[in-house]
Amino acid sequence: GAVVSQHPSRVICKSGTSVKIECRSLDFQATTMFWYRQFPKQSLMLMATSNEGSKATYEQGVEKDKFLINHASLTLSTLTVTSAHPEDSSFYICSARVAGSVSNQPQHFGDGTRLSIL
Amino acid sequence: QKEVEQNSGPLSVPEGAIASLNCTYSDRGSQSFFWYRQYSGKSPELIMSIYSNGDKEDGRFTAQLNKASQYVSLLIRDSQPSDSATYLCAVANTGFQKLVFGTGTRLLVSP
Repeated sequence: GAVVSQHPSRVICKSGTSVKIECRSLDFQATTMFWYRQFPKQSLMLMATSNEGSKATYEQGVEKDKFLINHASLTLSTLTVTSAHPEDSSFYICSARVAGSVSNQPQHFGDGTRLSIL
Repeated sequence: QKEVEQNSGPLSVPEGAIASLNCTYSDRGSQSFFWYRQYSGKSPELIMSIYSNGDKEDGRFTAQLNKASQYVSLLIRDSQPSDSATYLCAVANTGFQKLVFGTGTRLLVSP
């Protein structure tokens, strides 16, 4: 149980392109989903917390106009990297927590999306 | 001071040995602690969770928590080459409902 699907797994595109990444909880409902970014040889850095039906909460230093998050249902959150540039190239990973669970329940991670901007 | 600190390693152990991975955290209000394993190029997978002081065992893995010392560890018994990965310590504060990750310890198990 607690499977999180992330799509696409890899994206290579030109600078200036907008890229949408989907995160789905397959066998559970997720009130809260999280978006992380990981640069090579570094740890996961939380970008934003996505709450179903409300605006996402962004971490300090993350541009909300550049990284658009939508969490329209209990099973789907999307991250759109707008006008992506080479410095946005990274490994983007989503995670989800079972709806109704308190914060001490573990987050379940998707397989990640490797974004490469040429 | 980083919120969650881990030795980056690599920690090298021979096959069959016990690997000991350590993590310290700065927020005394932290309530939940997790160990994730991450293979190169892959996303993290949950290994253990621990919430109370003491030891928690699951197969070859034992998590240890000492809130007074703000210290959490992971022991891997009978280490296998397939255990070679980066182990991430993650800490959650109930009030903030989010995880803070350490930089990870790279474990190398040699045959």
